[in-house]
Amino acid sequence: EVQLVESGGGLVQPGGSLRLSCAASGFTFSSFSMNWVRQAPGKGLQWVSYISGRSTSKYYADSVEGRFTISRDNAMNSLYLQMNSLRDEDTAVYYCVRDWCSDTNCRFDSWGQGTLVTVSS
Amino acid sequence: DIQLTQSPSFLAASVGDRVTITCRARQDISSYLAWYQQKPGKAPKLLIYSTSSLQSGVPSRFSGTKSGTEFTLTINGLQPEDFATYYCQQLSSYPPVTFGGGTKVEIK
Repeated sequence: EVQLVESGGGLVQPGGSLRLSCAASGFTFSSFSMNWVRQAPGKGLQWVSYISGRSTSKYYADSVEGRFTISRDNAMNSLYLQMNSLRDEDTAVYYCVRDWCSDTNCRFDSWGQGTLVTVSS
Repeated sequence: DIQLTQSPSFLAASVGDRVTITCRARQDISSYLAWYQQKPGKAPKLLIYSTSSLQSGVPSRFSGTKSGTEFTLTINGLQPEDFATYYCQQLSSYPPVTFGGGTKVEIK
């Protein structure tokens, strides 16, 4: 069974930093690209970042480019999101998400339970 | 980024009803559209991918279709466990991806 378990969320002041982690199990982690998706309280879903299986490709939403860094450790079956210069608008539940692609058809087939990041003074 | 306009944002329906939710893309995204269901306090769950392919384990009362750049999620015979918020997602430009604004389905 695929499991994704996020950790590292919490309360941080504006301008502060936080590192999220996602522990993956139940599948060959290095074979899958991974994403972070967030959801502000009472709002919709927003894609944040992508990393390929071997970390050769990384992409970011414009709103976090230059402030957030995605990384992974395939030996540890772990995904990370380093968040710097945090702003009030970064307050959200952050989900670790696996993608499944067959040919060019991809979908986000497995989601973690989410970890809440609150940016407030 | 490719914008998705989802409608309605809210609908009230009864158990047994047929429910349709629409997602319109601003440009051609081929069939690279997925649908997710989210219940309060829970992570989203994949229902349909590639416009009309049912994810394993999802009941057959859920279906997806496409007409041009307009995509539709249909629930035939709404069940009590279907009351939730539904999101569409385009993966034509993946990465990045974009999501629709969501449709909350509540009990009438």
